[in-house]
This record gives sequence, structure tokens and C-alpha cells, in this order.
Amino acid sequence: AQSVTQLGSHVSVSEGALVLLRCNYSSSVPPYLFWYVQYPNQGLQLLLKYTSAATLVKGINGFEAEFKKSETSFHLTKPSAHMSDAAEYFCAVSPGGTALIFGKGTTLSVSS
Amino acid sequence: KAGVTQTPRYLIKTRGQQVTLSCSPISGHRSVSWYQQTPGQGLQFLFEYFSETQRNKGNFPGRFSGRQFSNSRSEMNVSTLELGDSALYLCASSFTLRRPDADQPQHFGDGTRLSIL
Repeated sequence: AQSVTQLGSHVSVSEGALVLLRCNYSSSVPPYLFWYVQYPNQGLQLLLKYTSAATLVKGINGFEAEFKKSETSFHLTKPSAHMSDAAEYFCAVSPGGTALIFGKGTTLSVSS
Repeated sequence: KAGVTQTPRYLIKTRGQQVTLSCSPISGHRSVSWYQQTPGQGLQFLFEYFSETQRNKGNFPGRFSGRQFSNSRSEMNVSTLELGDSALYLCASSFTLRRPDADQPQHFGDGTRLSIL
């Protein structure tokens, strides 16, 4: 069975600092991996996805993620955090169809 | 283009009651998936509908059911509500049953927050 594990339920950074949110996956087949963001009282918004086309994936709002098969990781990064990046972030894997298996989420706090 | 619309946004029920939540997908989308989000269990897949047929189901008791209409709108029903059913219920729509990707993205609604007293 496929799964994802997000390391760290809460990450705090200062505005302008590097953002690093960690995600490790478990899959016996090449995975389809996603990062979603959720702002308070809203649904999920797709940040980026990995579908085996390229290992470094660029998404919206300056985020990117690198797929590392040797480390079974798909960590999300952003060079410089903005206050507006404060939200909850979810890593997800698609086992097939439209169903997604999500990690527990990481809350990102950004301080000025 | 209108997004995924979920109604109502907020709902309060008591234990033992039943509830029906509605999801209108983006125009042209034929696939609808439902998720439950709770602080303890996180986001969990409930079921997936395409062309009025349930195609996939998560690990939830039979009290959770759903259906999809010919216009692709979907409803989910929870009977005999329990305190643990308090959650944000999210609906997502996509054009096909394929894995979501850039060409076939999956769009989420803002959810229905269900509180059980």
C-alpha cells in the first residue's frame, strides 16, 4: 500500500527565511506525488505535482519540490518565506484514480 | 468559471440524526471524490463517483453513503450521527477518473463543516 509521512507537524520560520517541509513516501511502484496547501476555512489548493516527467518540480507561489528516489522523499521548499505562506501543507500520493492518500499535514507559521 | 460548490458551509446536528451534504462540481467535470478531515485522523478518502457510479470507496462504515446524479452533482449522507463524525467534509471534482495532474487537475471545494452535539 502507498503512504506518505510528513515529518514535523509544525514548522516556524521568519519572513525571508528558507521554507523546508518534509515528506517521505512509501510505494512499490513509481508514485504520483502532490503538495497541497490549505488556508483557514478553505479547501485544498494544488501547489505542485510529480508524475515522473522531471525530478525537480516547480509549483505556484515560488514553491518547488525535488523527487529523490534513493531517499524516498519529496520535500517542499521555498527560498524566501512570506507572511502569506502561513497555512497548512499536505503531501499526498495517488494510488490510482482520483483518490488521494494524504499525510497528516504540516502547519507553517511565518513571523515578521 | 465557477469552482466546486459545497452546501451548506456549516451544519450542526445531534447524535443519532442523519445529514446530507451536497457538492456541485465544476461544469464539465464528471468525477467527484469526498474526503473527511479531522484533527485526529487528518484527511481521509471516503468515496469516488464517476458517471453516477461509485468507483472507489475508503475504509468507512456503511453509515457513510453517497450518490451522483446525471448532472454530476453529488451528495453524501451520514446516518445515525456520532460525535466522531464532527469534521470538515471536502469534495473534489475532476474531468475524468485519471490520476490528477496538470492536464487533469482536481479541484477542491471549501468544504462543509459538520458539528455533532
